[in-house]
Order: sequence, then C-alpha cells, then structure tokens
Amino acid sequence: AQKITQTQPGMFVQEKEAVTLDCTYDTSDQSYGLFWYKQPSSGEMIFLIYQGSYDEQNATEGRYSLNFQKARKSANLVISASQLGDSAMYFCAMREASGGSQGNLIFGKGTKLSVKP
Amino acid sequence: GAVVSQHPSRVICKSGTSVKIECRSLDFQATTMFWYRQFPKQSLMLMATSNEGSKATYEQGVEKDKFLINHASLTLSTLTVTSAHPEDSSFYICSVRRGFTEAFFGQGTRLTVV
Repeated sequence: AQKITQTQPGMFVQEKEAVTLDCTYDTSDQSYGLFWYKQPSSGEMIFLIYQGSYDEQNATEGRYSLNFQKARKSANLVISASQLGDSAMYFCAMREASGGSQGNLIFGKGTKLSVKP
Repeated sequence: GAVVSQHPSRVICKSGTSVKIECRSLDFQATTMFWYRQFPKQSLMLMATSNEGSKATYEQGVEKDKFLINHASLTLSTLTVTSAHPEDSSFYICSVRRGFTEAFFGQGTRLTVV
C-alpha cells in the first residue's frame, strides 16, 4: 500500500485564489512528521511547511497552511492568494519515527499546480 | 542561503563512462545523507542512505556496484554512477537530515547518458 497518496495529478487555480492540494498518508507509527515541498521546473526541492503528528495546531508559513486531520490521516496543503510563481510540482512527504533507512522521507507522486493569470 | 550544495547541476556523459556527483552539507555536520532518483514526471525514490565512515545502505533493486557512494567526511557524500548507460539518465538529488523536523535538499543533478 502506498504510504503517501496524492490523488490530484494536476490542478488549476486562478491567480489570487486559494487552492488546496490533497495528501493522505498511511502509518502505524504514533510519531511521524509530514512535509510539503515545491519543485519548480529547475528541479530543486523547496521546503514549504512541516507538521508533526503531536502538533495540536495546524502549521502555517506565510501563504501556506496545512490542514491536518489526524483521524482521517490527511495533511492537505492550502495555498492562499495564489501567484503565478506558485506554478510547480508539489510533493507531500512523510518521515516515520520507526522508519527504516534512518528517517528518510517517503514521497507521494506529486501534484502539478498551474496558476492561471 | 543554501544548506546543501550539490554539483554538478547538469552532466552529459558517454555511455560506459563514470560520473561523480558531490553533495555537501554547508551549515552542519551530517552523519547521514540520502540519495534519491527522480525520473521525468515521477516522484523521488530513495536509492541509498549514506553514512559517514561506514558503508551505504542501498534500497532494494539498486545496484551497489553501479551506484557507488562514499561518505568520507561529515560534510561530503559522493555518488558515482559507474559504467553509465542511457537508462541511468535521470535526476539525482541528495538530502540531508537535521533532526526529525528538517530535511534539506541539494539542487539536484540532471544526468544524461548518450
């Protein structure tokens, strides 16, 4: 079974609108962390936001917020006031406390976001 | 500023030759570094975990003799693609872990084998 599921291969959003990118995860660990990264066409991985499994409040970083619903095992990324520069691939990832490979990140397949002017 | 530096960003090599990719942790000592591969329009897949002073741990299906990893210091890990073939053409990217809540990536290396 996939550990990280991103069901939206592609999304379109109008500039200045908000958009939600979906991410669900599967783990039996009590302690884990969820990450979102942005990957523009250049290939670099830009860290956006982190949510720990024990964090009671949803993480926020500027225009990015994470809608963390632990019971549903979902960690959706919300981008407010979309900008043309937000067009990129977005990856959801998880790190498990008991994970093998000394805590590597497990990635979803990604969502390609396109912001329309 | 960048926390992880990866070089080269692009390399084209002839089939049968070897290519070395460097990953440097700039701001802190990293006992563990990760190497990922990403094919076009796909996700990042872990290839191996690089451990300073010891042998790397390879994921299932990754040939350790083809993808040589050396983590000789706390700030440098290298990935050498030996006897490269066109099917090795891909985007390779390293990552450094700092604690549980942080993971920094290099700029990535786009390898093309002709």
